[in-house]
Amino acid sequence: GDSVTQMEGPVTLSEEAFLTINCTYTATGYPSLFWYVQYPGEGLQLLLKATKADDKGSNKGFEATYRKETTSFHLEKGSVQVSDSAVYFCALRSYNTDKLIFGTGTRLQVFP
Amino acid sequence: NAGVTQTPKFQVLKTGQSMTLQCAQDMNHEYMSWYRQDPGMGLRLIHYSVGAGITDQGEVPNGYNVSRSTTEDFPLRLLSAAPSQTSVYFCASSRTSGSSYEQYFGPGTRLTVT
Repeated sequence: GDSVTQMEGPVTLSEEAFLTINCTYTATGYPSLFWYVQYPGEGLQLLLKATKADDKGSNKGFEATYRKETTSFHLEKGSVQVSDSAVYFCALRSYNTDKLIFGTGTRLQVFP
Repeated sequence: NAGVTQTPKFQVLKTGQSMTLQCAQDMNHEYMSWYRQDPGMGLRLIHYSVGAGITDQGEVPNGYNVSRSTTEDFPLRLLSAAPSQTSVYFCASSRTSGSSYEQYFGPGTRLTVT
């Protein structure tokens, strides 16, 4: 079945450091890919998405590129801030279903 | 729009008790779903619905019931709570007919079963 694999956390960075959170997927067909963010005590919010190969999703300085050849959707940010501290979830939604499949989440901690 | 709302925010139950977690959305979304979030396991789908009167099981449906009598509401029932159901529960909704549509999440219900 379809699945998403994320790098384990926590990821600990200093402010202004470069961030990469790896995400790979297994799916039949052509899924849509998402990154959601969960701030402490809150629900999940969509951060960015990409719906076809080579699409780049971007928002709030974060970006991720849909790479079909490597089945990856890695999240990057050039300069993180303390306010980026949260849990980040990679997810996919298959073309023939409305169900969302999540990775296990990666906690990011940014220190001043 | 209020988006997706969930009540209660926190709940403590004793083993064997029953309760209903409420979920409502005001975006006229056809698709609604319930997830549970446990440490190290991400979000797992419990039940989902693609429209009023239509429900189906997700990855972890045992111990939970759902119904969808209106487009807006999608309650989750625990008939006999067990400690293994201690978790944070999220309701989500989205449009259907297109995998690119994002899901909107409620703020969650933190449930503890003692």
